[in-house]
Amino acid sequence: KAGVTQTPRYLIKTRGQQVTLSCSPISGHRSVSWYQQTPGQGLQFLFEYFSETQRNKGNFPGRFSGRQFSNSRSEMNVSTLELGDSALYLCASSLGVPEQFFGPGTRLTVL
Amino acid sequence: LAKTTQPISMDSYEGQEVNITCSHNNIATNDYITWYQQFPSQGPRFIIQGYKTKVTNEVASLFIPADRKSSTLSLPRVSLSDTAVYYCLVGVSNSGNTPLVFGKGTRLSVIA
Repeated sequence: KAGVTQTPRYLIKTRGQQVTLSCSPISGHRSVSWYQQTPGQGLQFLFEYFSETQRNKGNFPGRFSGRQFSNSRSEMNVSTLELGDSALYLCASSLGVPEQFFGPGTRLTVL
Repeated sequence: LAKTTQPISMDSYEGQEVNITCSHNNIATNDYITWYQQFPSQGPRFIIQGYKTKVTNEVASLFIPADRKSSTLSLPRVSLSDTAVYYCLVGVSNSGNTPLVFGKGTRLSVIA
C-alpha cells in the first residue's frame, strides 16, 4: 500500500509570492491534516480536512488555506509569502483511528 | 490540551534499554497518551498509544501509572537506527480526529 505522498518535495519562492502544496493520502483515508515544522516553533498544526470539509484549524493567519477534493487529495496554499514561512510542511492522513500517517514533507524556502 | 514535559535529549549505547519519561500533570480523563518518532527530514511516525497501565507492541512499551500524570516510553535494546526525536502527545482521542499537539520532543542519540 502506497504511503502519503507530497509534491513538490522542495520549493524555493520569494517574498510576496504564493505557493500551493499537494498531498495524496493513503488510499481509503478520508482525513488529511497539515503541519508546519520549523526549528524555532517545532511542529504546529495548520488544519485538518475530512470529506472535503475543514474540521479543525490551528492558529495560523488567513494567508494559510487549504482544501480537499472528492478523492481525498488535499492542497494547501500560502499567499503573500514571508521569510518566516520557510519550513517543512507535513501532511498526514488517517482512517479515523489514533495513528496518523505522515508524508515526507515539502521543504519550502522563502528568499 | 494537556501540556507535556520531556527531557530535551538523551544518549544511550547500542543494545541498552532506553526509557523516556513524559510528564503531563494536567491530563484530562478522556485523554490518551501517544508517542511519535521522527527521523531527520522525515515526517513523524506513530509508535504507540495508551490510556492506562501498560501497552506493548513490536516496537516499544508504554508504562502509565495509576494517576496518569506521567508516562514512560521504553525502547528495548536500541540500535543506531533508533536515533531520532521522540514526541509525547496527550489529548489525542482514540477516534483520530483531534489535532496532534507536538512539544519539543526528546532527541535520542544512540552511540555504538
